[in-house]
Amino acid sequence: NAGVTQTPKFQVLKTGQSMTLQCAQDMNHEYMSWYRQDPGMGLRLIHYSVGAGITDQGEVPNGYNVSRSTTEDFPLRLLSAAPSQTSVYFCASSLTGTGGETQYFGPGTRLLVL
Amino acid sequence: DAKTTQPNSMESNEEEPVHLPCNHSTISGTDYIHWYRQLPSQGPEYVIHGLTSNVNNRMASLAIAEDRKSSTLILHRATLRDAAVYYCILRHSIRTSYGKLTFGQGTILTVHP
Repeated sequence: NAGVTQTPKFQVLKTGQSMTLQCAQDMNHEYMSWYRQDPGMGLRLIHYSVGAGITDQGEVPNGYNVSRSTTEDFPLRLLSAAPSQTSVYFCASSLTGTGGETQYFGPGTRLLVL
Repeated sequence: DAKTTQPNSMESNEEEPVHLPCNHSTISGTDYIHWYRQLPSQGPEYVIHGLTSNVNNRMASLAIAEDRKSSTLILHRATLRDAAVYYCILRHSIRTSYGKLTFGQGTILTVHP
């Protein structure tokens, strides 16, 4: 298994541009989520999904859109990039999202918005 | 969400045991205690979790206080590769919380050769 994969590894955007961060998992996990991590901080939840066609907002959803058309993929879209969205983005997945499960994290995408 | 409190940083020497404490005085009966670690420039990595009883795996041990208001992650013999930020996280057991992990600041562990 490849686990959780993320692309790209690094991206530079100009203010106002849009882009999609890709996340895929090959473990047949129902639950997937996106976090952002700002320098020196812990991770904060952006959006999550409990299965194909079902998504919901996390702690910091503004400026981001998600969709889940397949079990494997959970892309994160930045609609109009702002410098405040400069961060490292991590995708995670787990089997169903219940409390006793392990979450698996991807390697992250570093985003710089100028 | 119930909160956790960890020391900002700890230091250890290689080959010595490390005890990383975590306080969670407002923990509920349905909260699991999870530990994740994050090595530099990497995503978080699962270490161990437990509910009420002490737990052991190949990476570490988790000692949970009888009243569950605190826990300790034990690395039996620290190596340089264990240098990371360690996060103690409470995770609700019921499905409707949908697996949210609330990350605090964590403990920065420095391991000296």
